[in-house]
Amino acid sequence: EIVLTQSPGTLSLSPGERATLSCRASQSVSSNYLAWYQQIPGQAPRLLIYGASSRATGIPDRFSGSGSGTDFTLTISRLEPEDFAVYYCHQYGSSPETFGQGTKVEIK
Amino acid sequence: QVQLVESGGGLVKPGGSLRLSCAASGFTFSDYYMSWIRQAPGKGLEWVSWISSSSSYTNYADSVKGRFTISRDNAKNSLYLQMNSLRAEDTAVYYCARYDNSAYKGAFDYWGQGTLVTVSS
Repeated sequence: EIVLTQSPGTLSLSPGERATLSCRASQSVSSNYLAWYQQIPGQAPRLLIYGASSRATGIPDRFSGSGSGTDFTLTISRLEPEDFAVYYCHQYGSSPETFGQGTKVEIK
Repeated sequence: QVQLVESGGGLVKPGGSLRLSCAASGFTFSDYYMSWIRQAPGKGLEWVSWISSSSSYTNYADSVKGRFTISRDNAKNSLYLQMNSLRAEDTAVYYCARYDNSAYKGAFDYWGQGTLVTVSS
């Protein structure tokens, strides 16, 4: 099973700042099948990025994904008030598919 | 628009059973693999099970194998999760989700709002 480790656990930033979230895999993620989701408390997760770097439909271009192999990054170029949430990475290249433990982006 | 609506959650005693349902609309249900994912209170996401578009293939997390059964009825645009021998550690919000078909199965592009299952005496 591929273990995904997200860092940091919590990121304290102000609106307008840049957020950089990391997801490290215990083994190489097949075909870079790595996705990122945003979850606002009380809501279901929302797909942001799939295939490591492709934005999902309707996702603003301030969200970008990068990386390959075992190291992946989600960048939010300028934080908007609605971006303060928990973010999860998910690998779907190997069975069982697994999620990271999440990074909380909170208002500083 | 795509909608996934779960139902069937509730309070059940340890060792009991529950059947979750997910009603799909706004897309051709029979074209997509589907999955159940759960989230224990205050915790992260855990994949539970998936089923292929025609029900030919299924897979389960080790934590539920032998106790949970996923199924679907394409004529009714519905996904199901039969949960038996429930344990306290099965307490969670259960989401149904659609794979986006961007890969073999893909990422989860649509999620339901979730249904809470509480296992407690």
